[in-house]
Amino acid sequence: GAGVSQTPSNKVTEKGKYVELRCDPISGHTALYWYRQSLGQGPEFLIYFQGTGAADDSGLPNDRFFAVRPEGSVSTLKIQRTERGDSAVYLCASSLTGRGTDTQYFGPGTRLTVL
Amino acid sequence: DAKTTQPNSMESNEEEPVHLPCNHSTISGTDYIHWYRQLPSQGPEYVIHGLTSNVNNRMASLAIAEDRKSSTLILHRATLRDAAVYYCILRAFNYGQNFVFGPGTRLSVLP
Repeated sequence: GAGVSQTPSNKVTEKGKYVELRCDPISGHTALYWYRQSLGQGPEFLIYFQGTGAADDSGLPNDRFFAVRPEGSVSTLKIQRTERGDSAVYLCASSLTGRGTDTQYFGPGTRLTVL
Repeated sequence: DAKTTQPNSMESNEEEPVHLPCNHSTISGTDYIHWYRQLPSQGPEYVIHGLTSNVNNRMASLAIAEDRKSSTLILHRATLRDAAVYYCILRAFNYGQNFVFGPGTRLSVLP
């Protein structure tokens, strides 16, 4: 079956611009997670959705970052006034219920480069 | 989430067993031990998880110390495709627990 998909696979933008990154989770998965991964490091948690609501956004680095999941499926991560330090791979994952024992299924990521 | 420590890198020969260690001395009673791996240019993928007893699946085995302060991921016969970064993560069983990834162990498999 279809896994988690993310678009675009690569995004190059200029400092100060606005970007949107999209995540399509596995159908029927109620939990959705966003992570950010810098070169040579493990993924870093950003935000967790349970259904349509953001249950935990403690990992968002500042108010330039925002994410939505209006219908409880597709999610969009939005970054305003991008900075060079935002360059990273942004990973999305989904799981069936959000329980701690659930497997998280990760997408291939979106590589964001801010020039 | 409790912290885990893993070696930065390990090497193995193809078709030999690999034992990847993880220390988690501050693990709590509700923490499950999860292992994920990340192949080059891909997102992490699930390998195995357990609570107290040793676990086996088609990919690997997980050996958990009796005091749960350490665990070992065992790949019975390493293949070139097993070259990846392996992450050991603790996560409580209740809802809303995100993963706290460390830097993981980079496994190289030599032909």
